[in-house]
Amino acid sequence: NAGVMQNPRHLVRRRGQEARLRCSPMKGHSHVYWYRQLPEEGLKFMVYLQKENIIDESGMPKERFSAEFPKEGPSILRIQQVVRGDSAAYFCASSPPSVSTDTQYFGPGTRLTVL
Amino acid sequence: KQEVTQIPAALSVPEGENLVLNCSFTDSAIYNLQWFRQDPGKGLTSLLLIQSSQREQTSGRLNASLDKSSGRSTLYIAASQPGDSATYLCAVRNYGQNFVFGPGTRLSVLP
Repeated sequence: NAGVMQNPRHLVRRRGQEARLRCSPMKGHSHVYWYRQLPEEGLKFMVYLQKENIIDESGMPKERFSAEFPKEGPSILRIQQVVRGDSAAYFCASSPPSVSTDTQYFGPGTRLTVL
Repeated sequence: KQEVTQIPAALSVPEGENLVLNCSFTDSAIYNLQWFRQDPGKGLTSLLLIQSSQREQTSGRLNASLDKSSGRSTLYIAASQPGDSATYLCAVRNYGQNFVFGPGTRLSVLP
């Protein structure tokens, strides 16, 4: 059973471009969480999704950021018009459908660098 | 609002020592608490998950304890090895909420 997969592992964008980060949860998992880790800071929750639904987006910036988890395919975190402050590691985690408060399994992260 | 702190921020010990990492949280009405390990440039690996009804969990050389009333958890690592070098993160979950992470303790075990 493959773990949580994220791609790309490293992404470089210039200011104003769009960044699209992908997350494929573990097989059988239907809950996906996105976290951001700024340099020298802890992980901060961004958004919690189930298939085709956003459950909790209380940690998402109000502008430029969006997330989806379609019926088919990976979850996507999209950042429009990136700025230097968006440079961070973005981690995705998944958990099984039975208990949403169970342990979360983390992917290796995508490291976004905005030039 | 839940806040999580970890002490110390960094720790360097010689191989073979037993050590304790500390995690404190402000809201004691938690659902569970989880300890993770993060290696440089890598994702997080779950180490131990303690439910609110539990006092401790053990896995190999690791033991995590939970004292909800005082808002504290400790991660005990026995007979430390250089391979234990990593950042250790504590994450707390309240009912109906998502994980709140501490800033981590950066551990170096010297051979």
